[in-house]
Amino acid sequence: AQSVAQPEDQVNVAEGNPLTVKCTYSVSGNPYLFWYVQYPNRGLQFLLKYITGDNLVKGSYGFEAEFNKSQTSFHLKKPSALVSDSALYFCAVREAAGNKLTFGGGTRVLVKP
Amino acid sequence: EPEVTQTPSHQVTQMGQEVILRCVPISNHLYFYWYRQILGQKVEFLVSFYNNEISEKSEIFDDQFSVERPDGSNFTLKIRSTKLEDSAMYFCASRGPTSGSSYEQYFGPGTRLTVT
Repeated sequence: AQSVAQPEDQVNVAEGNPLTVKCTYSVSGNPYLFWYVQYPNRGLQFLLKYITGDNLVKGSYGFEAEFNKSQTSFHLKKPSALVSDSALYFCAVREAAGNKLTFGGGTRVLVKP
Repeated sequence: EPEVTQTPSHQVTQMGQEVILRCVPISNHLYFYWYRQILGQKVEFLVSFYNNEISEKSEIFDDQFSVERPDGSNFTLKIRSTKLEDSAMYFCASRGPTSGSSYEQYFGPGTRLTVT
């Protein structure tokens, strides 16, 4: 069975400061890892993915994430947060041989001016 | 930019009634999915569909649920006899061919189903 944990329900950060949203996962076999963002009354918007290769992946809107196999983590980062980054962020995992996504519970990010 | 669309945005129905939630996936995508999110809970996988048949389903997806791709563009989720606990946001998603950068699923804006 595959699972994802996002240990923080909410992250507060001041605008211009670095932002980190944590994610750990459990999956048998090689993981495919994803981050999605959800703005109010909108669907889940794809941010970035790790499939294979370089452990640091870059995505939309200046976000990046680091895959750490030994710690089974895939933390989302942004060097300088914007107020407009305030949203709900979801980490998701899929087994390489699988099909479905398993999501974490989500982390609400609040960036204060 | 192509996107997944869903209708209606909000559906209110009485317990025991049938509902059909509609989705138009991205046009060249081959894999289709339904997920749901009960208020305050995780997004949960319901079913995946490929080559005109269900490829995987969760334990939630019981005999009350069915999916169909009636034509070349629509993908529907039917709940035959709705229960109060079916109240949730239902998300449709699609994914492209297996080659290239097609690992990610693209989600629609969701249909909020309220069963009274």
